[in-house]
Amino acid sequence: AQSVTQPDIHITVSEGASLELRCNYSYGATPYLFWYVQSPGQGLQLLLKYFSGDTLVQGIKGFEAEFKRSQSSFNLRKPSVHWSDAAEYFCAVRVNSWGKLQFGAGTQVVVTP
Amino acid sequence: EPEVTQTPSHQVTQMGQEVILRCVPISNHLYFYWYRQILGQKVEFLVSFYNNEISEKSEIFDDQFSVERPDGSNFTLKIRSTKLEDSAMYFCASSESHGVGGGETQYFGPGTRLLVL
Repeated sequence: AQSVTQPDIHITVSEGASLELRCNYSYGATPYLFWYVQSPGQGLQLLLKYFSGDTLVQGIKGFEAEFKRSQSSFNLRKPSVHWSDAAEYFCAVRVNSWGKLQFGAGTQVVVTP
Repeated sequence: EPEVTQTPSHQVTQMGQEVILRCVPISNHLYFYWYRQILGQKVEFLVSFYNNEISEKSEIFDDQFSVERPDGSNFTLKIRSTKLEDSAMYFCASSESHGVGGGETQYFGPGTRLLVL
């Protein structure tokens, strides 16, 4: 069955430290890949997306993600986190170029001083 | 920057009552979606809508649910007879196109938190 896995439910990181959030998918072909962020009381904001081409994609707020076909992964990274990055992060995939998104369970990021 | 808006932000209702959740998609968008997130669970797809028709719906979207675009701006989700298990955050999303030559990007609203007592 098709699935999206975010292995880390909760991550605590110090302000200024680097952050990496993992996302693995299980699909027959390369899906369309997304990272969304949900701050408290806010909706889902698109951070970045991968459709094709360069496997390292840049997003907003200093985030980047790398698509690795061999590992079926699309991990999100940020070199130096800010307190405002505390939020829940969702990886999402889609099989077709359009249509429903399938979301991972989310990773809650806590940023400590 | 244009954004998807949803009203109300919170709604409390009694089991068996009808609720209507409202969304105003981004103005030039043509494709509309509802998702929901039960507390502690994944965001789940409910339904997609285009050209005044449902394009796809999930198993969750049973006869108790309906969607409508009553005018040129609103997109609504109606639950006819709410159940306790309908308590969730409901997100509306819209997109401009189906991404011909590329991929579609969906933009989400802030959500409506529905609590069924």
